[in-house]
Amino acid sequence: ETGVTQSPTHLIKTRGQQVTLRCSSQSGHNTVSWYQQALGQGPQFIFQYYREEENGRGNFPPRFSGLQFPNYSSELNVNALELDDSALYLCASSSKGGPDNEQFFGPGTRLTVL
Amino acid sequence: SQKIEQNSEALNIQEGKTATLTCNYTNYSPAYLQWYRQDPGRGPVFLLLIRENEKEKRKERLKVTFDTTLKQSLFHITASQPADSATYLCALASDSNYQLIWGAGTKLIIKP
Repeated sequence: ETGVTQSPTHLIKTRGQQVTLRCSSQSGHNTVSWYQQALGQGPQFIFQYYREEENGRGNFPPRFSGLQFPNYSSELNVNALELDDSALYLCASSSKGGPDNEQFFGPGTRLTVL
Repeated sequence: SQKIEQNSEALNIQEGKTATLTCNYTNYSPAYLQWYRQDPGRGPVFLLLIRENEKEKRKERLKVTFDTTLKQSLFHITASQPADSATYLCALASDSNYQLIWGAGTKLIIKP
């Protein structure tokens, strides 16, 4: 069984640039959620994808967008980067959507915006 | 607005003792509450889930309680070990909105 993987591990961008982060879900999982975690804070829900459709979105602006592919891997795109976007971006997969399911997290992508 | 509070200060516990962490919430009626462990530079790892109609849940040395009247969950680690040192996060969700809302976590340090 393959766990959740994310790429890249670290990324440095400048303000105004665009970034794409990637996530491969755990084998057999069809639901992927993305979170932003600032230093010393808990994760903030960005959005969730279930079978290639967005299945819920947190309080993030439209410049945060996502995609889920037929193999259930997923991308997070952030346009017009701002300094406050610097954070750890976490991807989590689960066997189905809903709050009563264990989520399996990847190691995260550390994004630094200069 | 919804608010989740966890002890912001690190909790120092002697090895072998029971560690108890709290998760308090306001302006919210969660149907589910989850606890995760997070090590530095890593993603959270799921530990336990408890439903609103469950008072207590156990798994090996871990025990979680859920008091919807007090709006509080307690997370206990018995016979604590230095390897239990990590940040512990609670996350809540309601039946109407599946979005998980997270606390900021409590850093637990188990001293040998």
